[in-house]
Amino acid sequence: SAVISQKPSRDICQRGTSLTIQCQVDSQVTMMFWYRQQPGQSLTLIATANQGSEATYESGFVIDKFPISRPNLTFSTLTVSNMSPEDSSIYLCSGSRTSNTDTQYFGPGTRLTVL
Amino acid sequence: TQLLEQSPQFLSIQEGENLTVYCNSSSVFSSLQWYRQEPGEGPVLLVTVVTGGEVKKLKRLTFQFGDARKDSSLHITAAQPGDTGLYLCAGVGGTSGSRLTFGEGTQLTVNP
Repeated sequence: SAVISQKPSRDICQRGTSLTIQCQVDSQVTMMFWYRQQPGQSLTLIATANQGSEATYESGFVIDKFPISRPNLTFSTLTVSNMSPEDSSIYLCSGSRTSNTDTQYFGPGTRLTVL
Repeated sequence: TQLLEQSPQFLSIQEGENLTVYCNSSSVFSSLQWYRQEPGEGPVLLVTVVTGGEVKKLKRLTFQFGDARKDSSLHITAAQPGDTGLYLCAGVGGTSGSRLTFGEGTQLTVNP
């Protein structure tokens, strides 16, 4: 199975600030995704991170709020900008070998609390 | 957005009991995946079912894909505390095209 790591594992941030989450995958994956999850609840896809180009965002998510970078095949960042308490959630990075519908390998997640 | 409904949402049972988790939709899926997530970890894929009526077994876990490919079930026999976790079904295809759609999840607690 693929290995996905994320950092930080958790953070507590002040309203109005921004946090950048890093995701590192091993070479077995080609697709990378970012999800949001409330504890104990389902996952909501934020965007697909595209290597060397702008991410593809899902409905309800915009680049200004969640800028995403993917400078190479194995690394991506998600920034949560101008945070509010409503952004408190778990943010998960995932990777798959071929497509969104292939087996997805998830990182351990970043638990974000915004005060 | 198509909806994948899971039931029950919460389940607390004693070690040794059997249980079934259901995943239902009004849409047809080309395949359906089941994941388990433990606290502080990301979801881990358990199985993918592809063919209508398909049954897959993974030790004490039995997965079934409905004949019409609109629903699926996960049955656990003789549950153990190590089975505790959030179980998520995820559908492929249907009205969301190639997008993977996750269900709402079933939080299972197996008490020793």
